[in-house]
Amino acid sequence: QQQVKQSPQSLIVQKGGISIINCAYENTAFDYFPWYQQFPGKGPALLIAIRPDVSEKKEGRFTISFNKSAKQFSLHIMDSQPGDSATYFCAASRDNYQLIWGAGTKLIIKP
Amino acid sequence: DTAVSQTPKYLVTQMGNDKSIKCEQNLGHDTMYWYKQDSKKFLKIMFSYNNKELIINETVPNRFSPKSPDKAHLNLHINSLELGDSAVYFCASRPHGSTDTQYFGPGTRLTVL
Repeated sequence: QQQVKQSPQSLIVQKGGISIINCAYENTAFDYFPWYQQFPGKGPALLIAIRPDVSEKKEGRFTISFNKSAKQFSLHIMDSQPGDSATYFCAASRDNYQLIWGAGTKLIIKP
Repeated sequence: DTAVSQTPKYLVTQMGNDKSIKCEQNLGHDTMYWYKQDSKKFLKIMFSYNNKELIINETVPNRFSPKSPDKAHLNLHINSLELGDSAVYFCASRPHGSTDTQYFGPGTRLTVL
């Protein structure tokens, strides 16, 4: 019940396309859902986060869509650029406790 | 100014040796973590400290021992290194009692030969 399942494991998108990464969780007590971005040779860095009181959050080209009833949330990257090529992690937590991490998605944007 | 720093960046050593990785954060955060990232990029939390006190200790061999001399530092000592310990180890920090951002260090790539 503590797991966060992330898919796909890897994704190749053409430049200018939309990249979509999905995550599903079981624990309905989770109340914080961040996405982290990791470039090769670097540590993960927070990209965008959402709480379950809203269904969508947008920051620039990055959008989180949240479906509380389905217990799913997804990251959409609009107008994907080669510089977006990275590994993306979803995560979830509750009550300010530790993050439960997804397995990661390696995203490659082809020029 | 580096927020979370780790040393060394790379560590290559023989099986059976003992090694340490150091972590320092200058963000004034109360909570610090050690993560292990394997070759498949999976992030596994190992330890969490709050104000020098251990609060999370996942199932990790007791060859791994974290030490926090003060709340800005969390070091990781590994005894009797094994081939399976080869991975990238990340230190991270965040303010206590907050689900705000975890700030990660640049990682230490450990290779055990």
